Order: sequence, then structure tokens, then C-alpha cells
Amino acid sequence: DTEVTQTPKHLVMGMTNKKSLKCEQHMGHRAMYWYKQKAKKPPELMFVYSYEKLSINESVPSRFSPECPNSSLLNLHLHALQPEDSALYLCASSQDRAGIYGYTFGSGTRLTVV
Amino acid sequence: EDKVVQSPLSLVVHEGDTVTLNCSYEVTNFRSLLWYKQEKKAPTFLFMLTSSGIEKKSGRLSSILDKKELFSILNITATQTGDSAVYLCATVAGGTSYGKLTFGQGTILTVHP
Repeated sequence: DTEVTQTPKHLVMGMTNKKSLKCEQHMGHRAMYWYKQKAKKPPELMFVYSYEKLSINESVPSRFSPECPNSSLLNLHLHALQPEDSALYLCASSQDRAGIYGYTFGSGTRLTVV
Repeated sequence: EDKVVQSPLSLVVHEGDTVTLNCSYEVTNFRSLLWYKQEKKAPTFLFMLTSSGIEKKSGRLSSILDKKELFSILNITATQTGDSAVYLCATVAGGTSYGKLTFGQGTILTVHP
């Protein structure tokens, strides 16, 4: 298995909702990432987890809450989002943070906040 | 702050043409440079470059890194309509930003039949 799987593929949520994005990989990678990509812009790093511990938080608002329950799973909990949070949320993984063997991206969750 | 700049931002060519995409960077604790192709959703990996002057090739695509001048190029020969995509360049940093990818704005390549 050489894939990063993200669910759901599409999500529409209201500003008062609570939802979660899920990311899964079974490549034995020990570093996992969340990126946010707005239309016609490059991906921007949100969080880095290394060996299930949060290593980097790029000053992301607290309405985004990451969780890494085990080495294969990465969640992003969403609460009280704003319409400007609508974007493509990409998960990625690598063998370790050094990424010597590259970084594999999932297909993303297209989030729309209404 | 780390910076990655790609040029051109968009490019329109016809099938069979050869294109060169550019990526320059200013990165503290530079470790490597990556090229990705993004068509609809997931960026797909093309190349990772860590050593200066060593060309990497995969079919019609090739890439090289110049660590002295802080840039990389991605060449695509005999372009096909399936090459139409956004090509992203990203750098990997070390130090306290270990593992952080910084992406350029991307080059939108359109290949007409």
C-alpha cells in the first residue's frame, strides 16, 4: 500500500458544526502533515506530527485541532469554522521528517464552510 | 522567512514543444528540493534533488539543481496534452523547521493538441 487515504472527499459544514477530517497511511511512515490549499495557491503547511507527537504548528487558529491517535492515523477536528476556511485540505506523510524518500500526498478533502 | 519563486506562472504550448520551468529559492537550512505535478487534487511526486549538478530523469522529464545559484529547472520534452497541470516546486528545510515543505506559487502548464 503506497497511498495516503483521506476521508471524506468533500465536506460542507455550517459555521456552528463540528466535523473531523481523517487521514490514513499504511506505509510505516512516522511523519504526517496537514496542508491547506486555497484555489490557485500552493499548499501551506498547518501541522507536522513526528512519531505521533506534534512537532510544528504554523500558528493555526484553535478552531483547527489536530490529533494523531497512532502512527497510521491523523485527524483534523474542525469547530466553529469561518467561510474563509473553505479550501482543499491535504494530508501527507513521509518516512520521517527528513523526507529522504519523499513525501506522499493524499487526494485531499474539499471543505466548504457555509 | 523561507521563499520559493517559480517562473513563469503560466505557460501555453503545443504538443511536441519542449518547456523549461524555473524555481529559485532562499531557504535557511536547505536540505532538498522537490518537484510535484498537481492535476486535480493530490500533488504527485516527480523528483527530489539534494545534490548540485546531478540531473534526474524520468522519461521525458528531467530536473537539475544548482545549490550555488539557488535554483532548479524542470524540463519536459515532446510535451503531450496529459502534461497539462500545475507544476509545484517545494523546498525542505532543516533546523527548527525540520520537515517543513515550502511551496512556490506553481507554474500552470497548458499543452494544446
